[in-house]
Amino acid sequence: EVQLVESGGGLVQPGGSLRLSCVASGFTFSDHYMDWVRQAPGKGLEWVGRIRKRRNGYTSEYAASVKGRFSVSRDDSKNLLRLQMNSLRAEDSAVYYCARVTAAPGTFHFDSWGQGTLVTVSS
Amino acid sequence: DIQMTQSPSTLSASVGDRVTITCRASQSISTWLDWYQQKPGKAPKVLIYKASSLESGVPPRFSGSGSGTEFTLTISSLQPDDSATYYCRQYDSYPVTFGPGTRLEIK
Repeated sequence: EVQLVESGGGLVQPGGSLRLSCVASGFTFSDHYMDWVRQAPGKGLEWVGRIRKRRNGYTSEYAASVKGRFSVSRDDSKNLLRLQMNSLRAEDSAVYYCARVTAAPGTFHFDSWGQGTLVTVSS
Repeated sequence: DIQMTQSPSTLSASVGDRVTITCRASQSISTWLDWYQQKPGKAPKVLIYKASSLESGVPPRFSGSGSGTEFTLTISSLQPDDSATYYCRQYDSYPVTFGPGTRLEIK
């Protein structure tokens, strides 16, 4: 069974840093692009960033709202996805989901999601 | 960035009704669009990808159509379990963008 389990959320002060983790199981993690998506309380979904797989150079993409502050990384040996968040702002408060991008050719939809971890940025 | 809009923002319908949600992109995205269903407190779940392909395990009452800038998600016969918020998402170009969502309520 495919599982994605996020952790690392919590309360952090504005300007602070936090690192989220997403542990994958039940599939070959290294075969998939992985994304982070967030959802502020009562709001819609917002894509945060992506990291490609080794074959694609582990390159990454980011939303403009987090570029330069957030960084996505992965450790395929540990089936681990990370999101390093620096210079946090109140508007970064959200539930953060990790999402698996399908390995099926010709499409890039999210075929599995974690349960989410809540980040609250407040003094 | 490609902007996504959805209409209506909320929708109330009865069990058995045929329901259609529309998603529009600010520029052509070919068929690089998918649809997600999200229930309160849960992660989203994909229903349709590549505009019209039904994800495995999703009931066939869900269907998608469209290309370019206009897309629709149709539920052919609404069921009580379909009460949720529905989001479209474009993945034609970065940044990937979601629509604002359509909240579907069962009367």
